[in-house]
Amino acid sequence: NAGVTQTPKFRILKIGQSMTLQCTQDMNHNYMYWYRQDPGMGLKLIYYSVGAGITDKGEVPNGYNVSRSTTEDFPLRLELAAPSQTSVYFCASSYSATAGDNEQFFGPGTRLTVL
Amino acid sequence: GQQVMQIPQYQHVQEGEDFTTYCNSSTTLSNIQWYKQRPGGHPVFLIQLVKSGEVKKQKRLTFQFGEAKKNSSLHITATQTTDVGTYFCAGAPGGATNKLIFGTGTLLAVQP
Repeated sequence: NAGVTQTPKFRILKIGQSMTLQCTQDMNHNYMYWYRQDPGMGLKLIYYSVGAGITDKGEVPNGYNVSRSTTEDFPLRLELAAPSQTSVYFCASSYSATAGDNEQFFGPGTRLTVL
Repeated sequence: GQQVMQIPQYQHVQEGEDFTTYCNSSTTLSNIQWYKQRPGGHPVFLIQLVKSGEVKKQKRLTFQFGEAKKNSSLHITATQTTDVGTYFCAGAPGGATNKLIFGTGTLLAVQP
C-alpha cells in the first residue's frame, strides 16, 4: 500500500492564479482531511470529508474548495491564490471517527508559495 | 473557539536527559492523540488515549490523559538523537471525534 499520496511536492504560484492539490489514499478509508501548517505552527483543518459525496468546512475554509467524488481522491482547489495561502498542505485519512479507528495517516505534504 | 495549547514551544536537551511536553485544552476532550513530525516530514501517529486518567507506555515514552480529560502529557526517558522532532497533541472535542484540534507543538532538539 502506498498510503496517502500527494502531488505536487512543491509549487510556486503568482497572486490570483489557481491550482488543485491532489490527494489519494489506497487504504479504503472513509474519512479524509486537508490541513495547512504555517512555519513553526500546528495544523489547521481546512476541509474534511466523511465519505464520497460528503464534505464539510473545518476551521479555516476561506479561499479553498474541495470535492469527494470517489473514496480514494480528495482534491483541494485554490481559486485565487493569495500570499496568505503560502503554507505546507497536508492531506490525511482515517478509517472512521470512532476512538480506536480514528488514527490519521498523513501524506508527505505540498509546499506552496504564493508570490 | 476551542484551543489546545502546548508547553514548552521548544526544548533543548543533552542526550540521555528526560523530556516532557504538556498539552492543555480549553474544553473537555473525548480522546487525545499524539503525533511526531520529524524536520521536513509529515506527522506520524504515536498513540491515542481515551479514558480519564489513562496512562500508556511505548518503550521510553509515557503518555498520560488527565482526570478531567482536558490535559495530557508526553514524557520521554533518556532521550536519544532519534527523538528529535516536533511533538503534537491533537484533541477531539466531545461529539466530534473526527475533527482533531492540533496543539501548537513542542520542538525537541537533542544534543549528542
